Amino acid sequence: KNQVEQSPQSLIILEGKNCTLQCNYTVSPFSNLRWYKQDTGRGPVSLTIMTFSENTKSNGRYTATLDADTKQSSLHITASQLSDSASYICVALKTSYDKVIFGPGTSLSVIP
Amino acid sequence: NAGVTQTPKFQVLKTGQSMTLQCAQDMNHNSMYWYRQDPGMGLRLIYYSASEGTTDKGEVPNGYNVSRLNKREFSLRLESAAPSQTSVYFCASSDPGLQSGYGYTFGSGTRLTVV
Repeated sequence: KNQVEQSPQSLIILEGKNCTLQCNYTVSPFSNLRWYKQDTGRGPVSLTIMTFSENTKSNGRYTATLDADTKQSSLHITASQLSDSASYICVALKTSYDKVIFGPGTSLSVIP
Repeated sequence: NAGVTQTPKFQVLKTGQSMTLQCAQDMNHNSMYWYRQDPGMGLRLIYYSASEGTTDKGEVPNGYNVSRLNKREFSLRLESAAPSQTSVYFCASSDPGLQSGYGYTFGSGTRLTVV
């Protein structure tokens, strides 16, 4: 079954601290993996996109890693800011057009 | 600003009523999508349009219809709303397709409540 799981479900961290969000996927055949940030009341916004041959991709303070062998990805946020408070969604794509599998998201709260 | 525009932002319907959610993009994208987002679940694809003139069912199409009016506009219609359709609906576009290095561009969503 094509599935994307994320952990933890929610996370609270202090401003300035680092954190890592996890994503496990069972999507086959796998094409690429994306991380999105969704602010409350807004649509998701793309952070990173990685193909199966890429191991890491950075976007400012966000760094995504991908292990296609273990089918795991992580999103590392460095020096968190209050504006990082959002839901982070992992998305895996199959090689067929309409097979886009969204994870349930991790809700991150950054507190002062 | 370039992007995906959805209307309305909020809507309350009574069971059995109908309505159309509007979506327009100004990025000249070929592909457009309608998703619904429910608490604790990932976004689920309702319908998509790979290009102007074509539409296809996604994962959860029952109770919905769509129209790709032109390259810019893709509407979602609820013919007879049911409480199970209470959700947040997102329109998205992409080009040249999901297999490209480009992700989706999402609209800001429509929060629909059916009572």
